[in-house]
Amino acid sequence: DTAVSQTPKYLVTQMGNDKSIKCEQNLGHDTMYWYKQDSKKFLKIMFSYNNKELIINETVPNRFSPKSPDKAHLNLHINSLELGDSAVYFCASSQASRTGELFFGEGSRLTVL
Amino acid sequence: SQQGEEDPQALSIQEGENATMNCSYKTSINNLQWYRQNSGRGLVHLILIRSNEREKHSGRLRVTLDTSKKSSSLLITASRAADTASYFCAPRGGTSYGKLTFGQGTILTVHP
Repeated sequence: DTAVSQTPKYLVTQMGNDKSIKCEQNLGHDTMYWYKQDSKKFLKIMFSYNNKELIINETVPNRFSPKSPDKAHLNLHINSLELGDSAVYFCASSQASRTGELFFGEGSRLTVL
Repeated sequence: SQQGEEDPQALSIQEGENATMNCSYKTSINNLQWYRQNSGRGLVHLILIRSNEREKHSGRLRVTLDTSKKSSSLLITASRAADTASYFCAPRGGTSYGKLTFGQGTILTVHP
């Protein structure tokens, strides 16, 4: 069973469109994250939720809106997509009370044309 | 910022050789973690060393930590072609929510 799964794996869309990426974890963790990895491999944290509560909100355009319906799910909705949004988006989870080891999904490669 | 900076940016070696990657950070930490990322895949946790530890081993991996110099190193012994990947360090501060910030990583290429 996949521990952290995200869909879709690939997403190709036009500028101005709205798209969503979904993430689910079956590890029983209470904290989930969205990271963005650019073409130079820098991995930047975007958001984090702990038990459905937003706890980390980095400097991200408000076109990006995360939603956590329950502690096992964290979705990312992006409005009015721009060329610069092209990247690989990774979902991750951890248990806050422990050492902070992250478990990552396989990534969702978003290409905006 | 807790971001780790890996050095070198790229490392190319032959199978059987040892690979050493370094990490520097700027603030006090609770622990420091190393991750591997194979091409087109997500990051995978390799090893964690706590701030009160100086060295840790796991299989062919050896991690050292020098908190006075705010640095860590990852040694992979007897490297294999399958070790080809990007390696990231992630220093973690003392907050409960474990925000990990990653650098650009070290790209390791192991030639058969």
